[in-house]
Amino acid sequence: SQQGEEDPQALSIQEGENATMNCSYKTSINNLQWYRQNSGRGLVHLILIRSNEREKHSGRLRVTLDTSKKSSSLLITASRAADTASYFCATSLTGANSKLTFGKGITLSVRP
Amino acid sequence: GAVVSQHPSRVICKSGTSVKIECRSLDFQATTMFWYRQFPKQSLMLMATSNEGSKATYEQGVEKDKFLINHASLTLSTLTVTSAHPEDSSFYICSACKTGQHTPQHFGDGTRLSIL
Repeated sequence: SQQGEEDPQALSIQEGENATMNCSYKTSINNLQWYRQNSGRGLVHLILIRSNEREKHSGRLRVTLDTSKKSSSLLITASRAADTASYFCATSLTGANSKLTFGKGITLSVRP
Repeated sequence: GAVVSQHPSRVICKSGTSVKIECRSLDFQATTMFWYRQFPKQSLMLMATSNEGSKATYEQGVEKDKFLINHASLTLSTLTVTSAHPEDSSFYICSACKTGQHTPQHFGDGTRLSIL
């Protein structure tokens, strides 16, 4: 089964609002990463958080990691129409040599 | 930096044809590259891990003889779909990463393969 499970599966918000996406996983991890995919394109790396980190920021992105709950959240503040995309969390398992296991993804629609 | 180029972006061919997809890291050396398959509105499924100078490591259920992987240099990995059939139609994406425990993967733009 998938290591990562995101929720919600789909999210529709108004431009300017914040978007929060959650990811849960099942086993011990080395790090957790969030990626974005525009339709028909490859994935773009957004942010990586290590297992010993709790929170990380990058521009309008904020990622948290709770290893006790095996969960992570991605917050996009002040969303823009250009943020419309699919978002995936991916986990790198301990000792897995950079191999990633992806969740099912969240489709974010930002209405102008 | 960390640009990955994947070529071609789109292939349409007849059943029985073999198709080669290239994945190049343009500005860094990638000892490891990954090949994924993605069905519409679904997640990425890892097919194999491509290691420079050695045999690829395939995930369970992926046929080695069907999906041939060659990683001949630190900047190039190729995936050949041999004798492709309509069920092989999919979106194939490669990624590459630099050496290190906490390094992200950098993805190509994918190849849309359609077998008629």
